[in-house]
Amino acid sequence: LAKTTQPISMDSYEGQEVNITCSHNNIATNDYITWYQQFPSQGPRFIIQGYKTKVTNEVASLFIPADRKSSTLSLPRVSLSDTAVYYCLVGDKNTGTASKLTFGTGTRLQVTL
Amino acid sequence: DAEITQSPRHKITETGRQVTLACHQTWNHNNMFWYRQDLGHGLRLIHYSYGVQDTNKGEVSDGYSVSRSNTEDLPLTLESAASSQTSVYFCASSAGQGIVEAFFGQGTRLTVV
Repeated sequence: LAKTTQPISMDSYEGQEVNITCSHNNIATNDYITWYQQFPSQGPRFIIQGYKTKVTNEVASLFIPADRKSSTLSLPRVSLSDTAVYYCLVGDKNTGTASKLTFGTGTRLQVTL
Repeated sequence: DAEITQSPRHKITETGRQVTLACHQTWNHNNMFWYRQDLGHGLRLIHYSYGVQDTNKGEVSDGYSVSRSNTEDLPLTLESAASSQTSVYFCASSAGQGIVEAFFGQGTRLTVV
């Protein structure tokens, strides 16, 4: 399981774009990058997963450079409801042990008016 | 719609008592997990199961046990509750064993007094 490093916290104003970067220098060839979101008093929920370049869905975009040693979760025009903890996970999605579904402390995003 | 439910949502128990937290999923997922979440520690994996009759220890398994007698349920038992086990507990299930989309329950807040 690749070790990941992400900021402990970030602050943003409503309507701004927020970019959360995750470093994963020892990412393996078969590893995917996955982000989860956790709202207060709720369990985490999967938001996006990617392998390289760019992935976009209705919630966020995920940018992965060619060397794959880092990735950026981009939240367009955040609202107060995007206040949450965001977790970056890196690992093989096809095989492995449950220890790969291991969460760190994440990035706490606070959105204000 | 498929779902994963935990019960109870809140529980207060006394030190030394045996406590069982229930987790029930209707996704028909083979893989189920239990985590605890404490301030400053993020989510930590307690036990996990890849199928009926299969159970495995996670990173913080001491004092906890699980059993898997069917696909839908993975109850978590605290053999002799301790104050250090006061926490929020989350159950999750997934179709895959790697870094995949997992679905989390709403959590059980356990207080040991």
